[in-house]
Amino acid sequence: SQQGEEDPQALSIQEGENATMNCSYKTSINNLQWYRQNSGRGLVHLILIRSNEREKHSGRLRVTLDTSKKSSSLLITASRAADTASYFCATDAWGGSEKLVFGKGTKLTVNP
Amino acid sequence: DGGITQSPKYLFRKEGQNVTLSCEQNLNHDAMYWYRQDPGQGLRLIYYSQIVNDFQKGDIAEGYSVSREKKESFPLTVTSAQKNPTAFYLCASSAAGTGLPYEQYFGPGTRLTVT
Repeated sequence: SQQGEEDPQALSIQEGENATMNCSYKTSINNLQWYRQNSGRGLVHLILIRSNEREKHSGRLRVTLDTSKKSSSLLITASRAADTASYFCATDAWGGSEKLVFGKGTKLTVNP
Repeated sequence: DGGITQSPKYLFRKEGQNVTLSCEQNLNHDAMYWYRQDPGQGLRLIYYSQIVNDFQKGDIAEGYSVSREKKESFPLTVTSAQKNPTAFYLCASSAAGTGLPYEQYFGPGTRLTVT
């Protein structure tokens, strides 16, 4: 079974609004990562947060991690039409393994 | 330019034929991965390799085979035994194994259609 589950499955907002996506996972992790995928393209790494970190920022992205609830959130502030994509969380489910397990993703649509 | 290349972008095959998808990287990464993505779904791991001449099965290896004869190359063969091969295939590499947290770098993908 997949480790990460994103919520919501789809999100539609207006340009300038903030977008929040959530990820829940089941087992202990070392790191959690967020990736972005434009339609029909490969994934692009956005941000990595370690299990001993609670919050991390990168530009308009803010990621939080709550290991007690086994959940993470990705916030995109002041969204743009170019942010339209699917967003996936990925975890190293087996504690340091070189494998990542990806969720099913949140499809974000930002309307101009 | 550094990165991962996959070819071809689109591939069409008749049922019963084996087909090989190419993946090349010049990032000097030891680890390489193959994923399958179906519409509206996440990525599922087919095979991965942490070092030349070694590879491990992922979650859905049945009907697929790989080789890792060179660090830069990790081709995937979709055999006729794969019951539902039509999908989007993604190759990735990472610096995993260095002891540091790692990210995966993805190629542009190959969309395989089998009829």
